[in-house]
Amino acid sequence: AQKITQTQPGMFVQEKEAVTLDCTYDTSDQSYGLFWYKQPSSGEMIFLIYQGSYDEQNATEGRYSLNFQKARKSANLVISASQLGDSAMYFCAMYGMNRDDKIIFGKGTRLHILP
Amino acid sequence: GAVVSQHPSWVICKSGTSVKIECRSLDFQATTMFWYRQFPKQSLMLMATSNEGSKATYEQGVEKDKFLINHASLTLSTLTVTSAHPEDSSFYICSARRLAGEGFVETQYFGPGTRLLVL
Repeated sequence: AQKITQTQPGMFVQEKEAVTLDCTYDTSDQSYGLFWYKQPSSGEMIFLIYQGSYDEQNATEGRYSLNFQKARKSANLVISASQLGDSAMYFCAMYGMNRDDKIIFGKGTRLHILP
Repeated sequence: GAVVSQHPSWVICKSGTSVKIECRSLDFQATTMFWYRQFPKQSLMLMATSNEGSKATYEQGVEKDKFLINHASLTLSTLTVTSAHPEDSSFYICSARRLAGEGFVETQYFGPGTRLLVL
């Protein structure tokens, strides 16, 4: 069985500071994919970044980077130079070997950016 | 970029009526779509996996006769909440997976969600 753990229910960060949101996972699959999504108050799930288990380099997308440590089974999201608009709920997610496998989500981290 | 749309955005209905929610992948084909529901301040919970041309796969505890799923084409999946009751009030989100291709990584896109309120 697969499991995603986000241990930070909420975080408060000063604007322009970097933020690291923690995510650990558990799976017996050799091949899997990891995602981070942002959910603002509107409810829409916004894709941020993807990391495949066989990707040797950490994924980066603009201000977002994924600190992938396979041996430790962690996939932390790093947001550089945070902005007020980054305030939202952030979900870590994964799916397993079969590409039709469902994505499972962590419980999320509520990020608040302070001016 | 790839977009997944949902219609309607908001539904308010009386108890006992049926509600249909549409999910479309606008610029890519999705053989598999997923339906989630989300209660306030909680994470997304997968309800079912919708496969084009075959029956949906429901998660444990989800009533298949209550939540009818039809994946009519490679770009359209519908969720029908039959005989809706107040406890079905929730935020329903669909998702479609786009496989990796030239210039983009594999990812799963989500629709904007449909808020259902059953009175």
